[in-house]
Amino acid sequence: EVQLVESGGGLVQPGRSLRLSCAASGFTFDDYAMHWVRQAPGKGLEWVSGISWNSGNIGYADSVKGRFTISRDNAKNSLYLQINSLRAEDTALYFCAKDKGYNWNENYFDYWGQGTLVTVSS
Amino acid sequence: QSVLTQPPSASGTPGQRVTISCSGSSSNIGSNTVNWYQQLPGTAPKLLIYSNYQRPSGVPDRFSGSKSGTSASLAISGLQSEDEADYYCATWDDSLNGWVFGGGTKLTVL
Repeated sequence: EVQLVESGGGLVQPGRSLRLSCAASGFTFDDYAMHWVRQAPGKGLEWVSGISWNSGNIGYADSVKGRFTISRDNAKNSLYLQINSLRAEDTALYFCAKDKGYNWNENYFDYWGQGTLVTVSS
Repeated sequence: QSVLTQPPSASGTPGQRVTISCSGSSSNIGSNTVNWYQQLPGTAPKLLIYSNYQRPSGVPDRFSGSKSGTSASLAISGLQSEDEADYYCATWDDSLNGWVFGGGTKLTVL
């Protein structure tokens, strides 16, 4: 059974940094691309970033480019999202999602974690 | 404002058939396949339809998808109370070089 468990969220002051993690199990992690998708309170889904199976190809939404960094450690079956210079508008539930294929820009998200909540407030 | 346009709400009575639309442009729906996700209250999204009309195993055949030009639709027949959820369409956008979602449609079963 595919399991994706996010962690690392919390209450953070504007301008600070945070690192989110996603622990994957139940599938061969290094065979698949992975994504981060966020959902602001009461709002819709927004794709944030994707990373290919071997980290060779990475993409970001324009809204987070330059502040967010996605990475993965295939040896640890883990996905990460480094968020710098946090803003109030980054407040959201951050979901980790598995892609159906090797590359992040070709297929679809077939499994999702339960999310970790990031709240940016002073 | 979302790149893909969905109606904010839809409703139906048990047993009825409802349709949710998703409108885009030539750079997204017009040139890529569409996927649909179901988000039950308080839970993570779940893949409902992929590649326009394909259903993952375990998804009832009451759910169906279609695409024509720059629009797509999700149809739910034999509506059940457990179908009450938010539904999102999504696709790749060639211009934005990223994944885009619709704003979501809240389905109410009356």
